[in-house]
Amino acid sequence: GDSVTQTEGLVTLTEGLPVMLNCTYQSTYSPFLFWYVQHLNEAPKLLLKSFTDNKRPEHQGFHATLHKSSSSFHLQKSSAQLSDSALYYCALSANTGANTGKLTFGHGTILRVHP
Amino acid sequence: NAGVIQTPRHKVTGKGQEATLWCEPISGHSAVFWYRQTIVQGLEFLTYFRNQAPIDDSGMPKERFSAQMPNQSHSTLKIQSTQPQDSAVYLCASSFSWGETLYFGSGTRLTVL
Repeated sequence: GDSVTQTEGLVTLTEGLPVMLNCTYQSTYSPFLFWYVQHLNEAPKLLLKSFTDNKRPEHQGFHATLHKSSSSFHLQKSSAQLSDSALYYCALSANTGANTGKLTFGHGTILRVHP
Repeated sequence: NAGVIQTPRHKVTGKGQEATLWCEPISGHSAVFWYRQTIVQGLEFLTYFRNQAPIDDSGMPKERFSAQMPNQSHSTLKIQSTQPQDSAVYLCASSFSWGETLYFGSGTRLTVL
């Protein structure tokens, strides 16, 4: 079945340094990939979604590139801000016929940015 | 648009009691999902409805968990004979269609004593 792997459970950074959170996936079908962010005591919300035409999605300074050859969708930002501290989930949604639409999440990566 | 509404926000039950969690999806969204969130497991898929029909309940513990969507405006997750390991935040989410953004509710924090 589909699966998403986020190798880091916790990433701690100094403000201003670049961010990279890893995400790899396994899917029989060509999936959509997503990044969701969850701030403390809030619901998860969409940060980025992959495009079908290989464009690179960007939002709030974050970007991610879908590499089908390596089955990866790493999240990057050039300069971390204190407000980026949150829990980040990578997820995929694959067209699997009967199960179309089901979103499978990785275990999540906590990003802590300190001054 | 009020977003996805979940009630109650918090529920405390004794071991062996029943818990019913409610979800009102965003109007016009055809897909409704239930997830369970814990520190150890992260976001676990439970079940999914499309146009009110159950599509995939592969994440549901079969014996005590059940979910219904009697109409397009609400879904319920029922847990019978709750156990301490059921303690988690239960999140409901809806989306317009496949591949579209999932909008999450604020969740119901279930604590089983």
